[in-house]
Amino acid sequence: DTEVTQTPKHLVMGMTNKKSLKCEQHMGHRAMYWYKQKAKKPPELMFVYSYEKLSINESVPSRFSPECPNSSLLNLHLHALQPEDSALYLCASSQVKISGNTIYFGEGSWLTVV
Amino acid sequence: TQLLEQSPQFLSIQEGENLTVYCNSSSVFSSLQWYRQEPGEGPVLLVTVVTGGEVKKLKRLTFQFGDARKDSSLHITAAQPGDTGLYLCAGVNYGQNFVFGPGTRLSVLP
Repeated sequence: DTEVTQTPKHLVMGMTNKKSLKCEQHMGHRAMYWYKQKAKKPPELMFVYSYEKLSINESVPSRFSPECPNSSLLNLHLHALQPEDSALYLCASSQVKISGNTIYFGEGSWLTVV
Repeated sequence: TQLLEQSPQFLSIQEGENLTVYCNSSSVFSSLQWYRQEPGEGPVLLVTVVTGGEVKKLKRLTFQFGDARKDSSLHITAAQPGDTGLYLCAGVNYGQNFVFGPGTRLSVLP
């Protein structure tokens, strides 16, 4: 069983809605990630937080807004999304290590924008 | 830019057959992970390899990290339908810069 928990499992939202995806981990990891995955493709990195600070933003549109309230929680706020944003959104966590790191994924949140 | 390639991209075999999938790069990684992912689910970690030449076994799965830490292989013995899924390799050189391969989609037919 994954120790990274994501909610909701499924989300359907309109293009004018505001919604949030939530992620929680209790492994003591201080790096947390958001990935986007389209069908039959590998995960694409969106954001990385290290020690609760945004360290990587892979040129993600501002309609996606990440938030890291504390070391265990990571949110992704969604506003004015487009149908092409429909995808599996994966949260992940890892230790903050110089080398030999491993990343652990949650089960994902399926997002459908209508 | 670090890149990971995986081969084959697709593989369809009969139950009981053996198979090997490969993950290759021109870059050195400090660690490399293998994941299996089923449709609609997140990737599940199978193994992390760290030392060049390292071999790890997980039941019918054998993982090897290349001596130069640039490539890895996953060998499955006597494949079962439950092994069906997308196999992803991911490498990291330093910090949190994980690089993913495009995946190998395996189908094991009963």
